[in-house]
Amino acid sequence: DAGVIQSPRHEVTEMGQEVTLRCKLISGHNSLFWYRQTMMRGLELLIYFNNNVPIDDSGMPEDRFSAKMPNASFSTLKIQPSEPRDSAVYFCASSFARGRGSPLHFGNGTRLTVT
Amino acid sequence: GQQVMQIPQYQHVQEGEDFTTYCNSSTTLSNIQWYKQRPGGHPVFLIQLVKSGEVKKQKRLTFQFGEAKKNSSLHITATQTTDVGTYFCANSGGGADGLTFGKGTHLIIQP
Repeated sequence: DAGVIQSPRHEVTEMGQEVTLRCKLISGHNSLFWYRQTMMRGLELLIYFNNNVPIDDSGMPEDRFSAKMPNASFSTLKIQPSEPRDSAVYFCASSFARGRGSPLHFGNGTRLTVT
Repeated sequence: GQQVMQIPQYQHVQEGEDFTTYCNSSTTLSNIQWYKQRPGGHPVFLIQLVKSGEVKKQKRLTFQFGEAKKNSSLHITATQTTDVGTYFCANSGGGADGLTFGKGTHLIIQP
């Protein structure tokens, strides 16, 4: 069974450009999480969805960030316009939410560099 | 989930020595999860602890949840080079709540 699939693996872009990160969930999972990882801040939860509905987006840094889940198996995270401080590794993770906490399955991440 | 603090931030050990990382919270945790991230990789789920005083083992790894459910530890016996990586504890409120991760402990092993 395929794991969480993220694309692209690497993205280098110039400040001001739009960036779109993509994520395909594990089949049957109903929760989707976007995390950002930097040396300074560690792993930060940006937003998560349950059954395609955004539940908590309080971690989204600012209005330049937006995330969508157009169907049960796919999500995008968009940054427009991008800035150098957005440079980080962005992880998508999915789980089957039940009871008291569910293990997250992470994708390989997208390493974003904004120059 | 609630904020969790991890110590130490970095740990250098000689291969064959033991290693322990600690995860602490000021409030009671409903559960704790542990993840391992290899250099250049992504976090991989190791285990979840739910019950007060719970102890679970995976080969050379021993996980413990405190009696008050405010702290947890991961102990590795006789480290090997394959244990290199960052170990994270994480907490959620349960159900579909997002996990809040600690800053992690970076384990560096010298052969």
